Amino acid sequence: KQEVTQIPAALSVPEGENLVLNCSFTDSAIYNLQWFRQDPGKGLTSLLLIQSSQREQTSGRLNASLDKSSGRSTLYIAASQPGDSATYLCAVLYYGNNRLAFGKGNQVVVIP
Amino acid sequence: NAGVTQTPKFRVLKTGQSMTLLCAQDMNHEYMYWYRQDPGMGLRLIHYSVGEGTTAKGEVPDGYNVSRLKKQNFLLGLESAAPSQTSVYFCASTGQGNQPQHFGDGTRLSIL
Repeated sequence: KQEVTQIPAALSVPEGENLVLNCSFTDSAIYNLQWFRQDPGKGLTSLLLIQSSQREQTSGRLNASLDKSSGRSTLYIAASQPGDSATYLCAVLYYGNNRLAFGKGNQVVVIP
Repeated sequence: NAGVTQTPKFRVLKTGQSMTLLCAQDMNHEYMYWYRQDPGMGLRLIHYSVGEGTTAKGEVPDGYNVSRLKKQNFLLGLESAAPSQTSVYFCASTGQGNQPQHFGDGTRLSIL
């Protein structure tokens, strides 16, 4: 089964610290991996998409890495701010599938 | 751009009633998806479509039907609503290749 796991389910960090969120997946035959942000009562917003041929993607304070051999992706958020408080979800598109496999997310609170 | 628009945003139904949720996208996307999100369960795929006139079952299709008569619209129907279908429903769309999924803001459905 092609599973996506995000641990821990929830975490808190002081403002200014770097955030590190991990995503693991069970099958290395991925087409791409996406990181999303979800605010309470809202839909998901795409943050970064990493193609299978890429090792990382960057957007502003966000950086996502991909290691297919170990089945892991890491989302780094530099110098966290209270506005970064949200749930972050990882999703994998596997070859041969037309749909994403989602992790259950990391609920993040940045403490002022 | 409106992106992905879901209507209605909120609805309360009685057990046994029927209703249709509408999803519209203005990005000319081929793929469209219906998910439900429940506490502790994460996002679960109900049905999806890979193009106009096509539909396919996801993880939890029972009790739901869908139609994709026009490329920009994807309808989700509940024929006889049950309390177990109380949830937040999200629609998403994406294009071909390495493109991110775009989500609507959700429909909050309560069935009494």
